[in-house]
Amino acid sequence: DTGVSQDPRHKITKRGQNVTFRCDPISEHNRLYWYRQTLGQGPEFLTYFQNEAQLEKSRLLSDRFSAERPKGSFSTLEIQRTEQGDSAMYLCASSPRGLAGAEQFFGPGTRLTVL
Amino acid sequence: RKEVEQDPGPFNVPEGATVAFNCTYSNSASQSFFWYRQDCRKEPKLLMSVYSSGNEDGRFTAQLNRASQYISLLIRDSKLSDSATYLCVVGPTLGGKLIFGQGTELSVKP
Repeated sequence: DTGVSQDPRHKITKRGQNVTFRCDPISEHNRLYWYRQTLGQGPEFLTYFQNEAQLEKSRLLSDRFSAERPKGSFSTLEIQRTEQGDSAMYLCASSPRGLAGAEQFFGPGTRLTVL
Repeated sequence: RKEVEQDPGPFNVPEGATVAFNCTYSNSASQSFFWYRQDCRKEPKLLMSVYSSGNEDGRFTAQLNRASQYISLLIRDSKLSDSATYLCVVGPTLGGKLIFGQGTELSVKP
């Protein structure tokens, strides 16, 4: 499968714990994006990378959230001291360079439940 | 005001019906426009890009009116398999983040 992959697919954690999600983009896609989606809403932008550089972060991304893409390939999203309001689907997407990069290809998501 | 607004529905239509979805966006400088489809508990997938000249893909027609900041999607001869949530999506810049509407739920009945 050459699509975007995310791991884990599901995560249940207790409030106050730290969690880390991984995203592997489509090979050779230089842009990688993180979104969060709650029930009944469209995805909300969190942050994005071009290669290893983090180019934009949403105001939604509090200081408890950190994302990295150290070698310009896979990315991790860490949430520290989780809160019940962090429960959501976390989606990763990637796009190729150039004008064709307007379209984003999404992974299956990681569903986080904070108890 | 939300950056991208669309009627959440649900739209319940019989097979074979024509259904239209509308969407407005607030940033007049937006560069790219799309309709994505999302099946229940699945990831969004691109349905079609939207251009100022309008574009058609089989039973699906998308229109963009930059002056009115309005995007539409028309589905003709709807099928049961068209049942999904349709997301109106705007890109403020090429290659940057995407801004999603709330999504419009469509249910096509036999």
